[in-house]
Amino acid sequence: AQKVTQAQTEISVVEKEDVTLDCVYETRDTTYYLFWYKQPPSGELVFLIRRNSFDEQNEISGRYSWNFQKSTSSFNFTITASQVVDSAVYFCALSEAWGTALIFGKGTTLSVSS
Amino acid sequence: KAGVTQTPRYLIKTRGQQVTLSCSPISGHRSVSWYQQTPGQGLQFLFEYFSETQRNKGNFPGRFSGRQFSNSRSEMNVSTLELGDSALYLCASSRTGGGTEAFFGQGTRLTVV
Repeated sequence: AQKVTQAQTEISVVEKEDVTLDCVYETRDTTYYLFWYKQPPSGELVFLIRRNSFDEQNEISGRYSWNFQKSTSSFNFTITASQVVDSAVYFCALSEAWGTALIFGKGTTLSVSS
Repeated sequence: KAGVTQTPRYLIKTRGQQVTLSCSPISGHRSVSWYQQTPGQGLQFLFEYFSETQRNKGNFPGRFSGRQFSNSRSEMNVSTLELGDSALYLCASSRTGGGTEAFFGQGTRLTVV
């Protein structure tokens, strides 16, 4: 069975601190996709990144970076120099290669104070 | 490029009634998925439609149903509403589903009283 675990329920940081959101997944498939979404108070899930199981290259996009490690089944997300606008709920998700359902973790609520 | 549009944004219904929610995907996207979000259960997959056919279904009772039209717009229906159906219902649009990027609408907040 597929499962995504986000052990951190809530994280609070002060602006300019770096913060890492953890994501651990379980799947028996050899081909799968991993995602991160951000959900601000408005409710809309904002797509951040998609990674397939064959691409273990880390990725950096501005202040965001992602560390994918198949050996530990983890896909962690780091925000560098956090800002108040980063405050939101962040979800990690998994889908099978040909699956059409996203399996979400419970989410991590990030609060960034000034 | 227009995003995913869900209507209405808010709904209040009474137990036992039925409700229909609508989702217009991004132009060119043929896959539409529906998710239910509640504080207790988090985000749960309801079903996915592709080219007017239901391709996948989550673990929800038959009171939850959906359909997709030839223009890829989708509707979901919940009959005989229960208090526990109160949730944020999110629609996701993607080109083909199957691991491609899914883009979400702002959701419909349903309250059952």
